Amino acid sequence: QVQLVQSGAEVKKPGASVKVSCKASGYTFTGYYMHWVRQAPGQGLEWMGWINPNSGGTNYAQKFQGRVTMTRDTSISTAYMELSRLRSDDTAVYYCARDWMVRGLEDWGQGTLVTVSS
Amino acid sequence: EIVLTQSPGTLSLSPGERATLSCRASQSVSSSYLAWYQQKPGQAPRLLIYGASSRATGIPDRFSGSGSGTDFTLTISRLEPEDFAVYYCQQYGSSPRSITFGQGTRLEIK
Repeated sequence: QVQLVQSGAEVKKPGASVKVSCKASGYTFTGYYMHWVRQAPGQGLEWMGWINPNSGGTNYAQKFQGRVTMTRDTSISTAYMELSRLRSDDTAVYYCARDWMVRGLEDWGQGTLVTVSS
Repeated sequence: EIVLTQSPGTLSLSPGERATLSCRASQSVSSSYLAWYQQKPGQAPRLLIYGASSRATGIPDRFSGSGSGTDFTLTISRLEPEDFAVYYCQQYGSSPRSITFGQGTRLEIK
């Protein structure tokens, strides 16, 4: 079965960077786009962007361009999302999610809580 | 950028009742690219409906989706206790595979 296992919770200071990992198993990692979605406490879902694990190509939401970098390591079937210049309003749960051929995000990681606090 | 507006913000119903959730797009959306998700507290979202009306794997048939153009609906025919959650609609935009979510509808027990 498909599994997406994310790295653990992080606490960062304003201005720092955070890198969240998402290890995939149960399917061909390079065959499906991987998206990153975040959710601030008590708020809705916010799309951040995607990476094509096959080519490494990316597409970032305009809001995050210049601050987010999505990468992958195909040898270990893992996707990464790095967010820089963190602010307090970046405090959120960050999810990776597998794109099911533009039908929807069929599989999700368990989420990684990133807390930004001085 | 297409904006998705969900209504109502909160829906209060009893188990056994029918729930109708709305998702309205600011511009016409291809039905092929409209999905619905369910999210329970402390959990990741779960894909319910794709292509506006097709149920994802393992989704009970009390969940159904309909609509086209700018107006889409998620219907839960008879609410079970486990259906009380937050529901989001989502569409794929013109920037390749870019995604927009609605703000969500909270379905609560009356």
